[in-house]
Amino acid sequence: EAGVTQFPSHSVIEKGQTVTLRCDPISGHDNLYWYRRVMGKEIKFLLHFVKESKQDESGMPNNRFLAERTGGTYSTLKVQPAELEDSGVYFCASSPWTSGSQTEAFFGQGTRLTVV
Amino acid sequence: DAKTTQPNSMESNEEEPVHLPCNHSTISGTDYIHWYRQLPSQGPEYVIHGLTSNVNNRMASLAIAEDRKSSTLILHRATLRDAAVYYCILRRYGGSQGNLIFGKGTKLSVKP
Repeated sequence: EAGVTQFPSHSVIEKGQTVTLRCDPISGHDNLYWYRRVMGKEIKFLLHFVKESKQDESGMPNNRFLAERTGGTYSTLKVQPAELEDSGVYFCASSPWTSGSQTEAFFGQGTRLTVV
Repeated sequence: DAKTTQPNSMESNEEEPVHLPCNHSTISGTDYIHWYRQLPSQGPEYVIHGLTSNVNNRMASLAIAEDRKSSTLILHRATLRDAAVYYCILRRYGGSQGNLIFGKGTKLSVKP
């Protein structure tokens, strides 16, 4: 079974440009999460989808970030316009829906974004 | 989610057991204790989780104190591949859908 897949693995863009990151979760996983680690900091939560709906977007830093999950399958995270402080590693994770019991989250390898 | 405290770093010798401690003195009765690890250049990876009783799986064991204010992740025989940052995370019951709150974790080095 394929794991969580993220594209691209690396991206280098200039300040002010737009970048779109993609995440393909494990098939059948309703929960999809975005996290990021900026240089020297801890991994921080960005947002959580349940199917195509945004369950929690409290971690989104500002309105330059837009996440979508059309059809409840893959998700995209767009940064427009990118700023220098957006540089870091962006992780996607997925997990199956449960009625309250604890499950593990499966993470992708991450996308390393460098804004110059 | 309640806060956890872990040592910044630990060292181990290959093929020896490793005990990674975690303090969570403000844990609530419905918080589960989760452990994830992150190997270099990879995404975080689930290790184990538990509520009150000790837990074992193919990767590790989790020993939970009787008062639940601390726990220990046990790697029975460390290998070079176990060198990673280990995160102890509390997750509220019913929060399996919720996000994980990562701290700084413990960086484990394994010497051959």
